[in-house]
Amino acid sequence: DTGVSQDPRHKITKRGQNVTFRCDPISEHNRLYWYRQTLGQGPEFLTYFQNEAQLEKSRLLSDRFSAERPKGSFSTLEIQRTEQGDSAMYLCASSPAGSADTQYFGPGTRLTVL
Amino acid sequence: DQQVKQNSPSLSVQEGRISILNCDYTNSMFDYFLWYKKYPAEGPTFLISISSIKDKNEDGRFTVFLNKSAKHLSLHIVPSQPGDSAVYFCAATHSNYQLIWGAGTKLIIKP
Repeated sequence: DTGVSQDPRHKITKRGQNVTFRCDPISEHNRLYWYRQTLGQGPEFLTYFQNEAQLEKSRLLSDRFSAERPKGSFSTLEIQRTEQGDSAMYLCASSPAGSADTQYFGPGTRLTVL
Repeated sequence: DQQVKQNSPSLSVQEGRISILNCDYTNSMFDYFLWYKKYPAEGPTFLISISSIKDKNEDGRFTVFLNKSAKHLSLHIVPSQPGDSAVYFCAATHSNYQLIWGAGTKLIIKP
């Protein structure tokens, strides 16, 4: 399977705990994106990497959220001190250089904060 | 402010007929529009896109129409098939990286 993969697919945690999600983009894609989707809404942009550089962060990405892409390949999204409002589907997408408009999505990580 | 709007939360269409999903936007700077399809518990799947310099793009059963003066685009699916039942999202971009999404329309194809 050469699509975007995300791990874990589901995560249940207690309020106040830290969680980390991983995204592996399509191998030849140098752009990587994180989105968050809540029920009944479209995805909301969180952040974007070109290779290892984080080029844009949404104001939705509070200081409890941090994303990395250390070697320009896989990326991690960490949420510290989780809150119930963080419960959502976290989606990762990637796109190739020169064609940033069409983004290809992974299956998402469903986070539930109790 | 919602820059991309899909005003119909759901749409029911008979199998074999045409499905028309609509999307309106407010930002005239958008220069690229995309439609994605999403099944439950899966990520969005890219369907078709259109650049603002065009007014129509066709790919098999899927056609997207763009009316820039009305800031409106639509996705036509013909003929509709049971496997088309899903949530359809309209998205737009003007920065080549950040997609702005509508809330989605749930399409139900009746046999």
